[in-house]
Amino acid sequence: EAGVAQSPRYKIIEKRQSVAFWCNPISGHATLYWYQQILGQGPKLLIQFQNNGVVDDSQLPKDRFSAERLKGVDSTLKIQPAKLEDSAVYLCASSPTGRYKVGRVTEAFFGQGTRLTVV
Amino acid sequence: ELKVEQNPLFLSMQEGKNYTIYCNYSTTSDRLYWYRQDPGKSLESLFVLLSNGAVKQEGRLMASLDTKARLSTLHITAAVHDLSATYFCAVDPYSGGGADGLTFGKGTHLIIQP
Repeated sequence: EAGVAQSPRYKIIEKRQSVAFWCNPISGHATLYWYQQILGQGPKLLIQFQNNGVVDDSQLPKDRFSAERLKGVDSTLKIQPAKLEDSAVYLCASSPTGRYKVGRVTEAFFGQGTRLTVV
Repeated sequence: ELKVEQNPLFLSMQEGKNYTIYCNYSTTSDRLYWYRQDPGKSLESLFVLLSNGAVKQEGRLMASLDTKARLSTLHITAAVHDLSATYFCAVDPYSGGGADGLTFGKGTHLIIQP
């Protein structure tokens, strides 16, 4: 079974530029997450999709970050304009179903991430 | 706001020794996950703990969950160099409405020396 695919693996941009990351989840996985992992910290959830709808974007800096999941499969995360503090690894994860139903718990599988450096 | 605290954040130990990593969290939850991350790699799921008193073991690693104390432990027995990595605990905070993203600790950077 193919894992979660992300591209690019690395990106270096200047501050105030824009950047986009792409994620292809495991086939059939309805739930998709984007996490931000700053060096030396644990991942922080940015946004969660269930199929093509947003379930939770409470921690997404909406003034500069946007994400979409067209057709409920692939997803893109965009930053515009980027700031120095956006330097981080952006991780995409997917799981087969939403895990909120009582008694049903599924794991999330993570991609390798995109390492963004803003200079 | 849910807080997840791990300690220690950095651990250097010798092969053959035993040690425990602690994970405390600030709100009610009975779903806790342990992940491993190697440098430059993604997160690998190690354990999923779903109830009070849950204990799971895989090789030299054993994880447990005490939901009343809001504490999980990851115990390493007779450490070997291959276990060197960063270990994260993560909590599913039951925020409702279908939102089930995890809240992670800062991670424990483990180095095992020969």
